Amino acid sequence: KQEVTQIPAALSVPEGENLVLNCSFTDSAIYNLQWFRQDPGKGLTSLLLIQSSQREQTSGRLNASLDKSSGRSTLYIAASQPGDSATYLCAVTDNTDKLIFGTGTRLQVFP
Amino acid sequence: GAVVSQHPSWVICKSGTSVKIECRSLDFQATTMFWYRQFPKQSLMLMATSNEGSKATYEQGVEKDKFLINHASLTLSTLTVTSAHPEDSSFYICSASHGDFYGYTFGSGTRLTVV
Repeated sequence: KQEVTQIPAALSVPEGENLVLNCSFTDSAIYNLQWFRQDPGKGLTSLLLIQSSQREQTSGRLNASLDKSSGRSTLYIAASQPGDSATYLCAVTDNTDKLIFGTGTRLQVFP
Repeated sequence: GAVVSQHPSWVICKSGTSVKIECRSLDFQATTMFWYRQFPKQSLMLMATSNEGSKATYEQGVEKDKFLINHASLTLSTLTVTSAHPEDSSFYICSASHGDFYGYTFGSGTRLTVV
């Protein structure tokens, strides 16, 4: 059974710092990995999707890497801002098209 | 971009009543939709997978008679919480698949409170 874990569970940093959020999964047979952002009481916003054949994806200040063989992904946030405060979720897709979510990292960036 | 509309955004109901939540893909056809449940400060747990025109597939431990899912068209899936109880209070989120294992769009969620 696929299990997805994220560390740290919570993170509080001053703005301007570069951040690394980690995601690990137990079964490397994934189709893709996706990073989402969730604001309190809201739905999910897709940030980056990495296909299993890819190593990384970038969007603005966000960069996500994927090491499928070791079951790891990293989300790098450059020059963090208070508006980045949210919960970040990674999720992997198996061959049934289901998303299996990680435990989440609650990020707070203070001015 | 792709949009999934979920309604209502919040609902309060009395114990024993039923509540229906709608999930619509507005600008694309979603052959597969998913329903999740999220408890406070926890991650999303998949409840069921809904395919247009067929019965939903429920995850282990999810009562299919309590959480009725209907996916009658390529743009609409509904989740009905029947005979709701306070322990059903939660945040429910739907998502729609774009197909080919490429991308999902999520609804904005529904906060259900059963009193």
